[in-house]
Amino acid sequence: EPEVTQTPSHQVTQMGQEVILRCVPISNHLYFYWYRQILGQKVEFLVSFYNNEISEKSEIFDDQFSVERPDGSNFTLKIRSTKLEDSAMYFCASRPGSLFTDTQYFGPGTRLTVL
Amino acid sequence: DQQVKQNSPSLSVQEGRISILNCDYTNSMFDYFLWYKKYPAEGPTFLISISSIKDKNEDGRFTVFLNKSAKHLSLHIVPSQPGDSAVYFCAARGGSQGNLIFGKGTKLSVKP
Repeated sequence: EPEVTQTPSHQVTQMGQEVILRCVPISNHLYFYWYRQILGQKVEFLVSFYNNEISEKSEIFDDQFSVERPDGSNFTLKIRSTKLEDSAMYFCASRPGSLFTDTQYFGPGTRLTVL
Repeated sequence: DQQVKQNSPSLSVQEGRISILNCDYTNSMFDYFLWYKKYPAEGPTFLISISSIKDKNEDGRFTVFLNKSAKHLSLHIVPSQPGDSAVYFCAARGGSQGNLIFGKGTKLSVKP
């Protein structure tokens, strides 16, 4: 069964450093998302991406964040200058774009630790 | 500002019995709801969904009920199994691009 994959599973970085989190969505899906979950809190929407551009973003997704689909398979989240409060699990998700389903399928997540 | 609320942080149930997980929402414009299960150190796994045009959807041991007038949905698991022990998240489809708004989750423990 096709699945969303994410790398790395755990990333440790120093405050102020740039990090890139990588995702490979399910191959025939059209919509892509990033969410994050700070420890002990709920899963929060960051950004959605469709047709090679950001379609919606939350207040969390400020100028420090960017997303890219550099080729036909990868979907990346970049944090330019990490802060301590960026420490969280980051989940990538994708959905087909079919009229008949709005189900999003999530990857296993990347645990980002900012020291 | 919690648009999706799961007021029970935990639930403990005996194996073979029914588990009922509840979720309330505040935005009457929400029209699609999903339940996800999450194990530690894994991503959320889709379980079952329901559109607002229905009041019930069933898939095997899992049934979701939607009461639009009360802005309430519930997930029933019958019979509960120890492997069902996980955190269950209720989510509503938010913006026009389908982003999901999650509740805080309910940790279900099914005791053998």
